[in-house]
Amino acid sequence: EDQVTQSPEALRLQEGESSSLNCSYTVSGLRGLFWYRQDPGKGPEFLFTLYSAGEEKEKERLKATLTKKESFLHITAPKPEDSATYLCAVQAAGNQFYFGTGTSLTVIP
Amino acid sequence: GAGVSQSPSNKVTEKGKDVELRCDPISGHTALYWYRQRLGQGLEFLIYFQGNSAPDKSGLPSDRFSAERTGESVSTLTIQRTQQEDSAVYLCASSLGWDREKYFGPGTRLTVT
Repeated sequence: EDQVTQSPEALRLQEGESSSLNCSYTVSGLRGLFWYRQDPGKGPEFLFTLYSAGEEKEKERLKATLTKKESFLHITAPKPEDSATYLCAVQAAGNQFYFGTGTSLTVIP
Repeated sequence: GAGVSQSPSNKVTEKGKDVELRCDPISGHTALYWYRQRLGQGLEFLIYFQGNSAPDKSGLPSDRFSAERTGESVSTLTIQRTQQEDSAVYLCASSLGWDREKYFGPGTRLTVT
């Protein structure tokens, strides 16, 4: 069964305390893995697309990596404005698109 | 540039009433999606339009739900005889193609009383 699991569900970090969010997946024929950020009361905002194992993408304090079974979103020296829910989504063969339930990140000043 | 817009931003309706939600995608985006997000839960796929092809309706939870899209422009999601379990945020997204990143609108928060 195709599935996307994100962990942890919630994460509290002190400002400057680096950490990683995990997205593990079991899908038939990965076509792409997407990371989004969602702020309260808003729609998800696109961050990255990863297509193949070994691929990495960076944007400011965020770095996304991909293996054959999981993706990590690394947050380096986070700031309070990085507080949000981070969603992972996987596009499988046959155009099926699955979202995880997200990791709620809180960065404390 | 203009992103995906949705209206209304909030809708409160009585159980049993019909509601219509609107989505204006990014110009030039051939693919359009509707998702539902219940409080504290992940995004639930509802329906997908790609150009003039027949829509993928596999995510619609019941026959009370329907959606239309005219060409590559505006889409409307209609929920008939609303139930309390329909209360959620309804998100619309568009993309250049089915395998491209999706850009989401701000959502419509539907509350059924």
